Amino acid sequence: QVQLVESGGGVVQPGRSLRLSCATSGFIFSTYGMNWVRQAPGKGLEWVAFISYDGTSKYYADSVKGRFTISRDNSKNTLYLQMSSLRADDSAVYYCARPNWNGDIDFDYWGQGTLVTVSS
Amino acid sequence: SYELTQPPSVSVSPGQTARITCSGDALPKKYAYWYQQKSGQAPVLVIYEDSKRPSGIPERFSGSSSGTMATLTISGAQVEDEADYYCYSRDSSGNHRVFGGGTKLTVL
Repeated sequence: QVQLVESGGGVVQPGRSLRLSCATSGFIFSTYGMNWVRQAPGKGLEWVAFISYDGTSKYYADSVKGRFTISRDNSKNTLYLQMSSLRADDSAVYYCARPNWNGDIDFDYWGQGTLVTVSS
Repeated sequence: SYELTQPPSVSVSPGQTARITCSGDALPKKYAYWYQQKSGQAPVLVIYEDSKRPSGIPERFSGSSSGTMATLTISGAQVEDEADYYCYSRDSSGNHRVFGGGTKLTVL
């Protein structure tokens, strides 16, 4: 079965960096585009970034563009989110999410999320 | 940047019909999707491509879209339908994904 397991969250000071990982299993990772979605405490869902199956196309929300970098390692079946210049409003649960098999649904499978807290 | 607008809250009594709207300029050309999220859980897709229902989603959930507005309808809402509901779509370029602000549905 499809599994998405995020890790790397924690408490980080403003201005510092953090890298999140999403380890995947149960499907052919190298054939799927992948997304990061976040949710600040008590707030709504916010799409963060997308990467194509081969890593050649990347798109970002305006709120993170220039600070966050999405990447993937298809040999390790793992998705990454490198976050830099972190701000308090980046504090959120970060989910990785996979589309369905034919791309009709952008977020069909979700991980359990990893919590990032940006605080001094 | 592109935005989808939802009402912050909707309240109905059990058995009544709940309607949650989502407005966005690109909706005439882009599909709307609806996610249900209960407290502490990952979101669950309840409607995709404006009006299609995934397997396992009760028939009381339906969706429609006309012009710049998409609507999620829950016919005969149940107490267990209490949750936050988010619409989702893409901008006109198709590259950027956008969620609406979410609507808290209260059924009591």
